[in-house]
Amino acid sequence: GENVEQHPSTLSVQEGDSAVIKCTYSDSASNYFPWYKQELGKRPQLIIDIRSNVGEKKDQRIAVTLNKTAKHFSLHITETQPEDSAVYFCAARAVYNFNKFYFGSGTKLNVKP
Amino acid sequence: EPEVTQTPSHQVTQMGQEVILRCVPISNHLYFYWYRQILGQKVEFLVSFYNNEISEKSEIFDDQFSVERPDGSNFTLKIRSTKLEDSAMYFCAKRTLLRDTIYFGEGSWLTVV
Repeated sequence: GENVEQHPSTLSVQEGDSAVIKCTYSDSASNYFPWYKQELGKRPQLIIDIRSNVGEKKDQRIAVTLNKTAKHFSLHITETQPEDSAVYFCAARAVYNFNKFYFGSGTKLNVKP
Repeated sequence: EPEVTQTPSHQVTQMGQEVILRCVPISNHLYFYWYRQILGQKVEFLVSFYNNEISEKSEIFDDQFSVERPDGSNFTLKIRSTKLEDSAMYFCAKRTLLRDTIYFGEGSWLTVV
């Protein structure tokens, strides 16, 4: 099955700086990669996603890049704000199984004001 | 984002007792899921449910667990004879036919004592 590795496990940045979280996956058949933000005690919420036919996607301060050859994808947050502080999870899903998502272990982002 | 309502939000149960967690999708979707998140850990797939039957389950989803859609709307996860290690947040999730991603409910905190 798929194995998703996520780094770093914790990330502390100053408000206004950029934050980058990286994930690698093992199954070359994975073709869909969502990112979720989870605030303490709450549900994971989708913030951005990317499909394997696209190399980069941007939504305001958030962007995701995908390198299919290297099997890794990254979340980029620019101009970080304290409200960006949360745990971020990457996930991967294979083209042959629309129902099963494999999650990374999470990155706890702390944005210091 | 499609809405999923879960009940209870928090349940404390004695070890060995049975627990039923409920999920009420607001709109009519075909694909439902249960995921589990042990405190501080990644989100883990338990089971997917399609067209009123299990389509896939993980190795975590053993005979202790069962899922049902008893009245065509509510979607339940039953945990028989709970163990201490079943303590976790259980998320119901759903997938729309138009989008690839899954949307999580608010979660049910289960504490087994």
